[in-house]
Amino acid sequence: EPEVTQTPSHQVTQMGQEVILRCVPISNHLYFYWYRQILGQKVEFLVSFYNNEISEKSEIFDDQFSVERPDGSNFTLKIRSTKLEDSAMYFCASSKETQYFGPGTRLLVL
Amino acid sequence: GENVEQHPSTLSVQEGDSAVIKCTYSDSASNYFPWYKQELGKRPQLIIDIRSNVGEKKDQRIAVTLNKTAKHFSLHITETQPEDSAVYFCAASKDGAAGNKLTFGGGTRVLVKP
Repeated sequence: EPEVTQTPSHQVTQMGQEVILRCVPISNHLYFYWYRQILGQKVEFLVSFYNNEISEKSEIFDDQFSVERPDGSNFTLKIRSTKLEDSAMYFCASSKETQYFGPGTRLLVL
Repeated sequence: GENVEQHPSTLSVQEGDSAVIKCTYSDSASNYFPWYKQELGKRPQLIIDIRSNVGEKKDQRIAVTLNKTAKHFSLHITETQPEDSAVYFCAASKDGAAGNKLTFGGGTRVLVKP
């Protein structure tokens, strides 16, 4: 059964550094998403992406964040200048209708 | 925007007993309600979902009920087994599931004691 994959599984970075989180959605899915979960808190929506453009973004998704689908398979989330409060688990998801989640990338900003 | 509240935050049951998790939502336009199970260190996995044109849906030991008037929905697990131990998340979305964001509840940590 096809699954959403994400790399890396863990990322440690220094405050102010740029990070790129990578996702490979399920191949025939049309919609792509990023969510994050700060330790002990709810899973929060960041952004959705369809037809090569952002379809919706939350207030968390400010100018420090960007998404890209650089080729036919990858979907990336870039954080330009990381802050301590960006430390969280980041989940990618994809859907035709039902959303399927990747295993997550645990980001730690020091 | 939508707000989803989930209770309880933790639930401990004896193997074989039933477990019930309740969620409320605020936006009457929400019409799709999935439940995800997340085992330790693994991805959230969809276990059941319901759309607002039905009041109840069952899949083996798992059932979900929806009360649109009261804006709440519940997950029922019968004959619980140790492998049911996990964190369960409810979520809500508008206009079906295609392309629309999920708003999650805070999660319920379920522990099934053998």
